Amino acid sequence: GAGVSQSPSNKVTEKGKDVELRCDPISGHTALYWYRQSLGQGLEFLIYFQGNSAPDKSGLPSDRFSAERTGGSVSTLTIQRTQQEDSAVYLCASSLEGSRNQPQHFGDGTRLSIL
Amino acid sequence: DAKTTQPPSMDCAEGRAANLPCNHSTISGNEYVYWYRQIHSQGPQYIIHGLKNNETNEMASLIITEDRKSSTLILPHATLRDTAVYYCIASSGSARQLTFGSGTQLTVLP
Repeated sequence: GAGVSQSPSNKVTEKGKDVELRCDPISGHTALYWYRQSLGQGLEFLIYFQGNSAPDKSGLPSDRFSAERTGGSVSTLTIQRTQQEDSAVYLCASSLEGSRNQPQHFGDGTRLSIL
Repeated sequence: DAKTTQPPSMDCAEGRAANLPCNHSTISGNEYVYWYRQIHSQGPQYIIHGLKNNETNEMASLIITEDRKSSTLILPHATLRDTAVYYCIASSGSARQLTFGSGTQLTVLP
């Protein structure tokens, strides 16, 4: 079946511009996560959505970052006024529900480069 | 999440079993052990997870010691495409997000 789909796969933009990254989770998965991975680094948690509950935004690094999930499915991560340190691979994952016994399945990410 | 310790790198001959160890001596009773792998330029791929019992699926087997302080991921017949960084994670009930450590770089040699 279809896995987690992210678009675009690559994005190059100038410093100061806004960017939107999209994630299509696996159909039927109620939990959705955003992470980012900088070059040679581990995964950094950004935000978590579970059903209709308020999202866990505890990992967002600044108020330039925001995310929404419309209709409990597709999610968009928005970065405003991008900075060079925002360059990273942004990964989205989904799981059947947000519990310890449900594995997260990842997309291949969006590679964001800020010039 | 409980801290996990893995060797930084391992080699394995193609066609042989790859046995990847993980130490999680401080794991709590309700934490699952998850294994993921990441091939360069791809997202992490889920492999297998377990709580107490050994588990097997089409990709691998997971052997968890009786005291749950360590586990071993077994790839029964490694291929060149199994070359990747393998991550062992102990997932707690309070943290929804996964915390990836440094992992083990497995290189399958022809």
